[in-house]
Amino acid sequence: QKEVEQNSGPLSVPEGAIASLNCTYSDRGSQSFFWYRQYSGKSPELIMFIYSNGDKEDGRFTAQLNKASQYVSLLIRDSQPSDSATYLCAVRGSSGDKLTFGTGTRLAVRP
Amino acid sequence: DAMVIQNPRYQVTQFGKPVTLSCSQTLNHNVMYWYQQKSSQAPKLLFHYYDKDFNNEADTPDNFQSRRPNTSFCFLDIRSPGLGDAAMYLCATSTSMGKGETQYFGPGTRLLVL
Repeated sequence: QKEVEQNSGPLSVPEGAIASLNCTYSDRGSQSFFWYRQYSGKSPELIMFIYSNGDKEDGRFTAQLNKASQYVSLLIRDSQPSDSATYLCAVRGSSGDKLTFGTGTRLAVRP
Repeated sequence: DAMVIQNPRYQVTQFGKPVTLSCSQTLNHNVMYWYQQKSSQAPKLLFHYYDKDFNNEADTPDNFQSRRPNTSFCFLDIRSPGLGDAAMYLCATSTSMGKGETQYFGPGTRLLVL
């Protein structure tokens, strides 16, 4: 079982729709969770992070964390073509010293 | 603007010819990381420095070395690049390694091995 799992996609949504990206992790003691956006050929860019169960909103982005289910998600409201990218989930595990990344979900927003 | 800078952005080397990649930061962060990312794969941590303390991941090949001469600079040395070492190399920094710390990435260096 991979430590951090994401569906590779592509996830295709029409412009203006809500895109839902999901991530599961294996280390039950994981402490913090990060979403990065990576455009093709570019480096990862931090979108947001979450530590506590529940929802955290930042503009069009909402991160959701459910530690009991070991599940974290990212919702993008009013999706724009410029949101088309790979979204990486990263988890800081129970050891607390480093991030483990998923392979990312490719999102395509259709105009 | 405070930032993480990587040079060069593109590096072409020959099989077996040593290469050095550079990372500098103006964030004054204590921790610097080197990741390797191959196409459609997750970034893979190679090693990190917490101040002068070097931490090597267990599965990082001996072919990869790193130096951090001061707070601002960190180098990745690949002693004898193989075709399998062609990848994007990402430098990242963070203030510390606690629960709340986020990592900020440089633009990356794409390495091509001929």
